[in-house]
Amino acid sequence: NAGVTQTPKFQVLKTGQSMTLQCAQDMNHEYMSWYRQDPGMGLRLIHYSVGAGITDQGEVPNGYNVSRSTTEDFPLRLLSAAPSQTSVYFCASSYSRQNHYEQYFGPGTRLTVT
Amino acid sequence: SQQGEEDPQALSIQEGENATMNCSYKTSINNLQWYRQNSGRGLVHLILIRSNEREKHSGRLRVTLDTSKKSSSLLITASRAADTASYFCATAGGSNYKLTFGKGTLLTVNP
Repeated sequence: NAGVTQTPKFQVLKTGQSMTLQCAQDMNHEYMSWYRQDPGMGLRLIHYSVGAGITDQGEVPNGYNVSRSTTEDFPLRLLSAAPSQTSVYFCASSYSRQNHYEQYFGPGTRLTVT
Repeated sequence: SQQGEEDPQALSIQEGENATMNCSYKTSINNLQWYRQNSGRGLVHLILIRSNEREKHSGRLRVTLDTSKKSSSLLITASRAADTASYFCATAGGSNYKLTFGKGTLLTVNP
């Protein structure tokens, strides 16, 4: 299994541009999520999904959209990039093990907005 | 807002020594998890302890949980240079699939 994959690894955008960060998992996990990590900070939850067709907002959803049309894929869209969105973005997936979830993380996408 | 707060923020030890990191949290939890992040990489799950458990072991890792004090500790015994990484605690509250992460402890193990 490849686990959780993310593309691209690095991206530079200009302010106002839009783009989609891709995330895919091949473990048939029902739950997927997107986090951002800023220097000296932990991870903050942006959006999450508990299954295909179901998404919800996390702690910092503004400026981001998600969709979940399949179990495998969970893309994150930046609608109009801003310098404040410069960050490292991580996608994660998990499944229920006796109603407790441990998360499997992708390698991350490092995004710079100029 | 961060639920967990790790202490210390940074820790530097010699190879072979034990490393202890602490995590405090504010609200009731269903489980607490510890993750490791090597520089420039994604997080890797280390261990999960449920709210009704007090201690758990996995290899050189020992985790304790004190729900009355809302705190947890991660002990790494006989540390190695390869243990150099950031360590994060994460708590699961009302929805077990939503985790709230702390800011992490940067552990440096000197050879």
